[in-house]
Amino acid sequence: AQKVTQAQTEISVVEKEDVTLDCVYETRDTTYYLFWYKQPPSGELVFLIRRNSFDEQNEISGRYSWNFQKSTSSFNFTITASQVVDSAVYFCALSDGGSQGNLIFGKGTKLSVKP
Amino acid sequence: DSGVTQTPKHLITATGQRVTLRCSPRSGDLSVYWYQQSLDQGLQFLIQYYNGEERAKGNILERFSAQQFPDLHSELNLSSLELGDSALYFCASSVGTGVEGTQYFGPGTRLTVL
Repeated sequence: AQKVTQAQTEISVVEKEDVTLDCVYETRDTTYYLFWYKQPPSGELVFLIRRNSFDEQNEISGRYSWNFQKSTSSFNFTITASQVVDSAVYFCALSDGGSQGNLIFGKGTKLSVKP
Repeated sequence: DSGVTQTPKHLITATGQRVTLRCSPRSGDLSVYWYQQSLDQGLQFLIQYYNGEERAKGNILERFSAQQFPDLHSELNLSSLELGDSALYFCASSVGTGVEGTQYFGPGTRLTVL
C-alpha cells in the first residue's frame, strides 16, 4: 500500500539557516506523482511542487529546492536562507495508484523559523 | 489565492446535527476532492467527483455524503455529527481525473462539534 513518511515532526531553526525536510514514500506503482504543500498558520494548503516518477532532476525555485531520488524513495525539500515567513507545516504527498488522483499525505513537518 | 472557494469558513454545531459544506472549484476544473484534516488522523482523502459523477472513495463514513452539481460546485453533507467529526475539511480541484493533475486546495471549513 502507498505510504508517505515524514519522520521529522518539528524542526526549529534560526533565520538564515538552511533546513531540509525529509520525505520517504512507498508505492508499487511505476508511474506516480509526488507533491509538497505548505500550510501556514492561517490554515490553507498551498501547492509548492509536483514531480513525476520519471523525472529525477532536482528542481530549484528561488530559495526552495527539491531532491528526488528513486533509489532511496525519497523526495526531500530544502529551504536555503530560511525566513520567518517560512514558518509553517509542510506536507509531502503521493498520488494514489490507478486512475484516481487522490493524494496520500505524510503527517507533516512543522517548521519554526526564529528571528 | 488558489481559485477554489469554500463556505462557510467556520461552523459550530451540536452533536446529532447535520451540516452542509460547499465548494466551488477553480474555473475549468472538473474534479473535486474532499479531505478531512484532524489532529489524530492527519489529512485523509474522503471522496472525489468528476464532472458530476463519483470517481473514488476514501475513508468516508456512511454518515457523510457528497455530490457535485451541473455547475460543478460540490457539497459535503455530514449528518448525525459526533465530537470526533470536529476537523478542518478541505476541498481541492483539478483539471482531470487522474494522478497527473495538480490539486489546488480551498481555504477549508473548520467544523466544531460541541
